[in-house]
Amino acid sequence: EVQLVESGGGLVQPGGSLRLSCAASGFTFSSYEMNWVRQAPGKGLEWVSYISSSGSTIYYADSVKGRFTISRDNAKNSLYLQMNSLRAEDTAVYYCAREERVNYFDYWGQGTLVTVSS
Amino acid sequence: QSALTQPPSASGSPGQSVTISCTGTSSDVGGYNYVSWYQQHPGKAPKLMIYEVSKRPSGVPDRFSGSKSGNTASLTVSGLQAEDEADYYCSSYAGSNNLNVVFGGGTKLTVL
Repeated sequence: EVQLVESGGGLVQPGGSLRLSCAASGFTFSSYEMNWVRQAPGKGLEWVSYISSSGSTIYYADSVKGRFTISRDNAKNSLYLQMNSLRAEDTAVYYCAREERVNYFDYWGQGTLVTVSS
Repeated sequence: QSALTQPPSASGSPGQSVTISCTGTSSDVGGYNYVSWYQQHPGKAPKLMIYEVSKRPSGVPDRFSGSKSGNTASLTVSGLQAEDEADYYCSSYAGSNNLNVVFGGGTKLTVL
């Protein structure tokens, strides 16, 4: 059974940092592209970042470019999102999602809540 | 990186059909046949319902169908059922030179 489990969310002050993790199981993690998608409270989905299966290709939304860093460790079946210089508008539930093919996010984690507030 | 445009709400009675639109540009919806639709119930993760404009993943009822014309994609839910009440989001590939994927703002579907 495919499972994606996010962790690392919590309350952080503006300007602070947080590292999210996504533990994958039930599939060959190293064969799949992965994404982070977030959802602010009561709002819609926003794509955040993409990483290719090998980690060689990475994209970011303009809203997080220069502040967030996506990475993966295929040996540990894990995806990460390092978030620096956090702002109030980064407050959201962050989901990791497996990309089976182009824009085909077939499995999602349960999400982890990040709250940026003083 | 503008979001795709969806109506905030849609509704229909059980058994009826409802169509939700998703308008983008020639750089996303109109430029690629990589439009997907997701269903999200409150407090749950999104679930893929349609991919590549009109294809259904295994397990998704054939009451759900997708189409595209120009820069506008559409999701049609036929034979509405109570469990179809949820938020629906479209998304489109937007090219690797710009951003990877763009989502719509979401449509709240109410089954009356």
